[in-house]
Amino acid sequence: EAQVTQNPRYLITVTGKKLTVTCSQNMNHEYMSWYRQDPGLGLRQIYYSMNVEVTDKGDVPEGYKVSRKEKRNFPLILESPSPNQTSLYFCASTSPGTSGTNEQFFGPGTRLTVL
Amino acid sequence: LAKTTQPISMDSYEGQEVNITCSHNNIATNDYITWYQQFPSQGPRFIIQGYKTKVTNEVASLFIPADRKSSTLSLPRVSLSDTAVYYCLVGGYTGYQKVTFGTGTKLQVIP
Repeated sequence: EAQVTQNPRYLITVTGKKLTVTCSQNMNHEYMSWYRQDPGLGLRQIYYSMNVEVTDKGDVPEGYKVSRKEKRNFPLILESPSPNQTSLYFCASTSPGTSGTNEQFFGPGTRLTVL
Repeated sequence: LAKTTQPISMDSYEGQEVNITCSHNNIATNDYITWYQQFPSQGPRFIIQGYKTKVTNEVASLFIPADRKSSTLSLPRVSLSDTAVYYCLVGGYTGYQKVTFGTGTKLQVIP
């Protein structure tokens, strides 16, 4: 089954404790992206990657790192989490679809709480 | 990146056709228009994409006027399960770019 997986799905942590949220896709997509979603603010892009070893900042990259060493994986790293990074995080990958369409496939989300 | 403007919320009765309009005045020549649907605590799901005129698939239609400064997502005969947030995005066809979602339109379908 074609899918994007994220782990963990839920995480409660404390300020300053480094964490990694993993994202993996099995569709051989080149483009992957991370978003955070907060009430009233919609989805905001954190980082995106156009291919292995190619990453770039989205709208809200501060406090986050990413890496893309393999095509299928795109982990999100919070070196020193702070309470303002409490949010719902989504990973997505993109493929050209049928009939010339282009759609992003989203993972199930990771709900992060930083105390 | 083209900025999009959508109504914050809409209500509709079951069985009615719902039209959600998105304004994107500074759309670029090579930009496509894409709509996503999101249920609470789930990732957005692709609905439809188009460049100009009309596009139709099994769940929705997308109407784009000649000047492409706006677009309308049409959902025929909505049901309670269509209650969700709908996002309009404008951007390049390849997807290899920075992406900006707006705040979306919250559609509430009423029995």
